[in-house]
This record gives sequence, structure tokens and C-alpha cells, in this order.
Amino acid sequence: EAQVTQNPRYLITVTGKKLTVTCSQNMNHEYMSWYRQDPGLGLRQIYYSMNVEVTDKGDVPEGYKVSRKEKRNFPLILESPSPNQTSLYFCASSSDYSPYEQYFGPGTRLTVT
Amino acid sequence: LAKTTQPISMDSYEGQEVNITCSHNNIATNDYITWYQQFPSQGPRFIIQGYKTKVTNEVASLFIPADRKSSTLSLPRVSLSDTAVYYCLVGDTGYKLSFGAGTTVTVRA
Repeated sequence: EAQVTQNPRYLITVTGKKLTVTCSQNMNHEYMSWYRQDPGLGLRQIYYSMNVEVTDKGDVPEGYKVSRKEKRNFPLILESPSPNQTSLYFCASSSDYSPYEQYFGPGTRLTVT
Repeated sequence: LAKTTQPISMDSYEGQEVNITCSHNNIATNDYITWYQQFPSQGPRFIIQGYKTKVTNEVASLFIPADRKSSTLSLPRVSLSDTAVYYCLVGDTGYKLSFGAGTTVTVRA
């Protein structure tokens, strides 16, 4: 089954404790992105990647890091999480021939206390 | 990225047609118009995409006038399961999408 998976789905952590949210897709897609969704603010893009080793900032990259060492994986790293990073996070991927048709993962609900 | 404006919410009843209009006055020549649907606590799902005139698939139709400054997503004969948030996006690159607040469509029995 074609899908985007994220782990963990739920995470409660404390300020300053480094964490990684993994994202993996099995569709051989070139493009991958991370979004955060907050009430009243819609979805905002954090980082995107056009292919392996090619990443760029989205609209709200501060406090986040990403890497794209393999085509299928695009982890989101929070080096020192803060309470304002409490949010619902989505990973998405799309292909080179249909870039507008992004496939989203199930989401990761992160709470930073 | 072109700025989009769409209604915050719309109400409808089962079996009716729902039309959501999105305004994008500063759309550029290379921009495409894309619509997504999102259910609570789920990731958005691609519905339809177009450049001009009309596009139809099994889920919806997209109407784009000649000046392309607006577009209308049409959902035929909605059911309760069509209650969701609908996003209109405009851009020339599919990998850098900007989602606004979207339109919350509520379908009532």
C-alpha cells in the first residue's frame, strides 16, 4: 500500500530534550515536506526537500532541522524543543511528475512542556 | 506565492451541491490552482488541480474563469462525510505549497 508513515504518532516531552520525528514514504517520491498545523493558523511549511541531499526552508524553519540522506526518509529534528513547538506535525511527499498531489502522513501530535 | 482568499465557513445539507469560491487576484502565469480536503486529525488529501477552464474528476469539479483571478470548487450532492476543511492553493511549484486557513464545510442531515 502506498503510504507515508510517521513515528511517533504522539509524543510528550520536556523543554530542551532533543527529539526526532521520522517520516518515510514507499512511493519513490522525489519531494518531501514537513508542515505544522496550529489552530487558527492553518498548515505552515517548515522544510521541504526536492531530492536526496537537497533541502530548503519553508515558511517557519526556526527551531527545526531536517536531513535527506535517503530518498524514502525525511526526519524532522528538534534540537532543543520549546513549548511554542507544541503542534500537530505532518510529513508529505509527492512525485516529480505530479508535484502538486502531495500525500500526507497521519500526523504526529507533539506536546512540549 | 499568490495570496488566496476563501470563505471561512459554509453550511450545507445532504444532497446539495456545494460551491466554494477562492479569490487569487495576483495569480501568476505559471501558477496552478490546487484544492485539498482535510478531515479532523488527518493529513490533507489532494482533491483536484487545474490551470484554466474546467477540470472534473470523480470527486469534484474545478471551474476557472478566463482571467484566472478566482476559482470555484464544486462538490456535487454532498453527504455528511464531506464535512471537512477545504484549502485552495495557488503556486508554480508543487513542492512549496502554502495552505491558508481554508473553508470549513459543514454538511447537515
